[in-house]
Amino acid sequence: DVVMTQSPLSLPVTLGQPASISCRSSQSLVHSDGNTYLNWFQQRPGQSPRRLIYTVSNRDSGVPDRFSGSGSGTDFTLKISRVEAEDVGVYYCMQNTHGLTFGGGTKVEIK
Amino acid sequence: QVQLVESGGGVVQPGGSLRLSCAASGFTFRYYGMNWVRQAPGKGLEWVAFIRYDGSYNYYADSVKGRFTVSRDNSKSTLYLQMNSLRAEDTAVYYCAREWGAAYWGQGTLVTVSS
Repeated sequence: DVVMTQSPLSLPVTLGQPASISCRSSQSLVHSDGNTYLNWFQQRPGQSPRRLIYTVSNRDSGVPDRFSGSGSGTDFTLKISRVEAEDVGVYYCMQNTHGLTFGGGTKVEIK
Repeated sequence: QVQLVESGGGVVQPGGSLRLSCAASGFTFRYYGMNWVRQAPGKGLEWVAFIRYDGSYNYYADSVKGRFTVSRDNSKSTLYLQMNSLRAEDTAVYYCAREWGAAYWGQGTLVTVSS
């Protein structure tokens, strides 16, 4: 099984400042069809998860452009250019190239 | 808009059974594969099962294989999860999520396995 490792576990950030979350996979996430199926989800307190980013860097509809995804192979990053209060929650990476597995999550909180 | 509504959760004794449902609306259900994903209290997300759009293929996490069965009724736009031989470690909020990439999620239903 592909293991997804996120860091940090907790990320205190100042409002208006950038934030970055790392996600590493135990094997390459490049599919035989050439795509890389790495996604990012946000789970606000008390809510269901919401997908933000699919196939590494594509924002879902309605997702603010302060969220961006990048990376390749086994190393991926979610960046928030300027953190807002509504961004508080837990962020998960998920791969669906080799089965489907989630990272352990990164809790974003305001300093 | 896409809507997924789970139901059927509750409290069940170890070894018992429960069937969850996920009612879909706002899209053509029969065109999409569907997942079940769970989240134990205070923990992260764990994928449970997937069913192909036409029900012809099912795929399970090792932790539930042989105990859980995913099915669907495209005429009713409804996804199901039959859970047998339940264990304490199956206690979680169960979400249904549309398509292999989990683009849309329901609000979840809580399953508690306890004596």
